[in-house]
Amino acid sequence: DQQVKQNSPSLSVQEGRISILNCDYTNSMFDYFLWYKKYPAEGPTFLISISSIKDKNEDGRFTVFLNKSAKHLSLHIVPSQPGDSAVYFCAASAGSGGSNYKLTFGKGTLLTVNP
Amino acid sequence: EAGVAQSPRYKIIEKRQSVAFWCNPISGHATLYWYQQILGQGPKLLIQFQNNGVVDDSQLPKDRFSAERLKGVDSTLKIQPAKLEDSAVYLCASSLPGAYGNTIYFGEGSWLTVV
Repeated sequence: DQQVKQNSPSLSVQEGRISILNCDYTNSMFDYFLWYKKYPAEGPTFLISISSIKDKNEDGRFTVFLNKSAKHLSLHIVPSQPGDSAVYFCAASAGSGGSNYKLTFGKGTLLTVNP
Repeated sequence: EAGVAQSPRYKIIEKRQSVAFWCNPISGHATLYWYQQILGQGPKLLIQFQNNGVVDDSQLPKDRFSAERLKGVDSTLKIQPAKLEDSAVYLCASSLPGAYGNTIYFGEGSWLTVV
């Protein structure tokens, strides 16, 4: 039972254009959502997050949108740069903080930004 | 600040053999996680420690996997006997207790190939 779904295994965009990565979830208890970025042979690194009380969070070129009614979130990267080429994981958690805080990850989307 | 350290980085073993992975978390991080990432999948939580106590090991295959965290610092993850389907990257991560995802830090991973 996959609670966090990233239905696009890969995405290719041109440098300077917008990249949109999508994520759907099924567990209505999830209240905090994150995007991680992973380069080959490295561990995932945190990129941006959003709480369920918000519908948008922005950090530089990265913006995450949350649609709770649709159980959908998306990551927008504008403008896309070749260095953004990586695997992007969507992750979710239930419960804010606490000693048993843990993340459930999607399968990831490979983003390729072409020069 | 030193990151999460893992060793060995790469390991190839035959099925039915045993293997052990070591993790040293970021200094002061009380919470330690072991994730398994199979190729094409997102990371899956195997076990979570709070200091030297287990918080969640519900997805740990206990017939072959074991983990311990001595003195609430370093941790080892052992697989015995290994199966072909254990081929994956084993990611160690650490965080401050009650942390949101943006303060969960991952190591570079230990790549296991079972032949």
